[in-house]
Amino acid sequence: QVQLQESGPGLVKPSGTLSLSCDVSGDSISSYNWWSWVRQPPGKGLEWIGEIYHTGSTSNNPSLKTRVSISVDKSKNHFSLELTSMTAADTAVYYCARVKRYYDSSGYVEYFQDWGQGTQVTVSS
Amino acid sequence: SSELTQDPAVSVALGQTVRITCQGDSLRSYSASWLQQKPGQAPLLVIYGKNNRPSGIPDRFSGSTSGNTASLTITGAQAEDEADYYCNSRDSSGSHPHVLFGGGTKLTVL
Repeated sequence: QVQLQESGPGLVKPSGTLSLSCDVSGDSISSYNWWSWVRQPPGKGLEWIGEIYHTGSTSNNPSLKTRVSISVDKSKNHFSLELTSMTAADTAVYYCARVKRYYDSSGYVEYFQDWGQGTQVTVSS
Repeated sequence: SSELTQDPAVSVALGQTVRITCQGDSLRSYSASWLQQKPGQAPLLVIYGKNNRPSGIPDRFSGSTSGNTASLTITGAQAEDEADYYCNSRDSSGSHPHVLFGGGTKLTVL
């Protein structure tokens, strides 16, 4: 059974940088899966941040532009998120997730199969 | 870029059938998946692909897509189905492929 666990500071100062890690157990970070970050501001819906494959290939939410950096550490079997220039609007619960992709008879299939429990990040001085 | 649109709230009487919809141009090219989220919990996958349920998800949950609209149907809704439901799909409009989430639908079981 795959488990994902986010870790990082719960409080970040305005204009600072958020650094979060997601530890993966029960699966190899080098498996045929993508690894993603999603956030949820208080009382609001889910927002995709970005994703990474073990080769280092990444894709990010265009709305976050160059603020996002996602990396993978195969030796630790975890992946990480850095989000720069933090503001109050970045206050949210941050989730990491395992994403499966494949093709079947119906075409391309992609889904967020497993999620971490989430970690609250507050931006405040 | 594209977006996925969901009704903010839907209600259903206990034991009745409810359909939650998700509209977006990306659904013409990519399949939708559906997530259930209860207060204070992480999202849980309930439907993916054409109409697949992960292990442990009751068969009262089903999915379908027609044109640009994906639907999640709960046949015989139970009290424990009261939750927020989010659709998501990939989107290849714009310069880079990315992931979309719908705004979510709050389901109330009466």
